[in-house]
Parts: sequence; C-alpha cells; structure tokens
Amino acid sequence: ELKVEQNPLFLSMQEGKNYTIYCNYSTTSDRLYWYRQDPGKSLESLFVLLSNGAVKQEGRLMASLDTKARLSTLHITAAVHDLSATYFCAVDIGKSGSEKLVFGKGTKLTVNP
Amino acid sequence: GAGVSQSPSNKVTEKGKDVELRCDPISGHTALYWYRQSLGQGLEFLIYFQGNSAPDKSGLPSDRFSAERTGGSVSTLTIQRTQQEDSAVYLCASSRPKRLAGADPGPYNEQFFGPGTRLTVL
Repeated sequence: ELKVEQNPLFLSMQEGKNYTIYCNYSTTSDRLYWYRQDPGKSLESLFVLLSNGAVKQEGRLMASLDTKARLSTLHITAAVHDLSATYFCAVDIGKSGSEKLVFGKGTKLTVNP
Repeated sequence: GAGVSQSPSNKVTEKGKDVELRCDPISGHTALYWYRQSLGQGLEFLIYFQGNSAPDKSGLPSDRFSAERTGGSVSTLTIQRTQQEDSAVYLCASSRPKRLAGADPGPYNEQFFGPGTRLTVL
C-alpha cells in the first residue's frame, strides 16, 4: 500500500525566511503533485512533477522530485503572509493517467509578519 | 472555462437520514473522483469513475456509501442512514489524461477540485 508522508505537519515561520517542506512516499512513482488549500476553500493545483530531477518554480515556491529517493520538496523562499495555507503533496502510481491520487496529511504553513 | 461544481455547499442533516451530494465535472474530463476531508485532516479517497469502466469503490468506508455517474458526466454520492462520524467535507475532482510534448513519461493525472460540500450530521 502506498504511503505518503509529509513533514513538518505544522510550520510557523517569519516573513522573509526560507524553509522546505518534505514529501516522502513508499512506492516507485514518477508522478507527484503539489496542491494548496486555503482555509475553507478547495484544493488548487500548484505543481506537476513528472520525472526524476524535475524542478518547477512559481514565485517564491519551488518544487523538486527525486524519484530514486522517493522524495519531493517544496521550498519556500523569502516567505510572505500570502503563502499561509495548507500544502498537500499527492502521488500517482497509475499508468493510465487517470488513477486515484494518494495524498499526504498536509503541511499547515503560517507566515507571521 | 467552468470548473468543477458541487452542490449543496453545506448540508446539515439528522443522524439516520439519507443525503445526496452532487458533482458536475469539467466538461470533457473522463475521470471523476470523490474524496472526504475530515477537520484538519488530509484527503481520504472514496471512489473514482473512469469513462465507462467499472468504478473503483475501494475507498468507500461502508455499504452505506454509494455513488453513481450518469451519462459519463454528473455524479451523485449517496450516504444512507448518516452517522455523526460521516461529518466532513466531501470533495469531488475531475481529470483527463494529459501528455507532455516531447519526451514522454506517459500520461499524467492532474486533478481539479470542486469547492466541496460540508456535511454536518447532528
């Protein structure tokens, strides 16, 4: 059974600081997704990582994937308050492009002024 | 274009009643998924539909839960004889297989989520 673990589960940081969220998974996969969820809202797709060594960047967020280590990271650079949200990673082990995703428990990020 | 829509947005019901939750996927998306998110928790997979194939029901927590997808589009999740532990946000997502141009790692599955239905069982 595929297990997806994120850490930390809670992260409180100051504006302007850098930090990394980790996502480990237990089964071979080369497809990993990052989502953002604001309080009371649904999930918004952030990044799609599709191969070993894939790196995607959007603003102050950068995601990477190491399929050999079964690890993805979401790096936050010079955090701002607007980044406060819960971030989920999700892993896809299907081959057809339409399989269920297995989600981590999420990392609740709070960026303090 | 229009995203995934769900209705109702909120539902309060009494223990023992049946409820129906509706999901309208993005037009053209062949796959539809239901997840459940309890307060402060991650997403728990419930069921997914892909085209005309038999649905994957492996995540349904009990036989009180069922879902159908009519005409390959709209889906309804039904919970019979609701219990307090059924209280959660029920999220629907849809997707269609995509491929990257050039080097091809195979199709991938970016799911797009609806706003959810918050179910409260008293």
